[in-house]
Amino acid sequence: GIQVEQSPPDLILQEGANSTLRCNFSDSVNNLQWFHQNPWGQLINLFYIPSGTKQNGRLSATTVATERYSLLYISSSQTTDSGVYFCAVTSGTYKYIFGTGTRLKVLA
Amino acid sequence: NAGVTQTPKFQVLKTGQSMTLQCAQDMNHNSMYWYRQDPGMGLRLIYYSASEGTTDKGEVPNGYNVSRLNKREFSLRLESAAPSQTSVYFCASSRQGENYGYTFGSGTRLTVV
Repeated sequence: GIQVEQSPPDLILQEGANSTLRCNFSDSVNNLQWFHQNPWGQLINLFYIPSGTKQNGRLSATTVATERYSLLYISSSQTTDSGVYFCAVTSGTYKYIFGTGTRLKVLA
Repeated sequence: NAGVTQTPKFQVLKTGQSMTLQCAQDMNHNSMYWYRQDPGMGLRLIYYSASEGTTDKGEVPNGYNVSRLNKREFSLRLESAAPSQTSVYFCASSRQGENYGYTFGSGTRLTVV
């Protein structure tokens, strides 16, 4: 099955810094999502992005499906950005495979 | 606007006991999912229901059963709980078709002793 690798596994930033999170996948996919899990465990969908680039406020994401990776950019980070960021992919429609996440801590 | 509601939020079971985790969504979504999350790991799909009246196995279905009661509700049953089923369980829903994303419930933390 598809393997999903996320890097870095852990990241510590000072408030106001920018960061790039990476998601590599081992096979062709036709759907990809990014999620944020906050420190209280709630999972929030950030982007549905099988290809191309999307932006939502300080967050943006780019997926290059032909090269099998996606990037999540966080600009001007805030303490509320802390948590775990997951990438999830599927080659079908429903059976998403999740990566093990990037744990982000933003310091005030 | 509740989104996806899961009950209970916490549960402790003894080995061999049974229980049902409930999930309901009020967004008129067609598809619903059950995932488990273990420490240090991503989420793994247990079962999903692409639409009302259908259910299918995910990555880790052994030891679980599901029921898509109607379009709103999708329950997960543990018939004989085992310590290996200690986990956090998340229900999610999505529209069927293009350009959809998941909406997750707040999770159920289950401990089997």
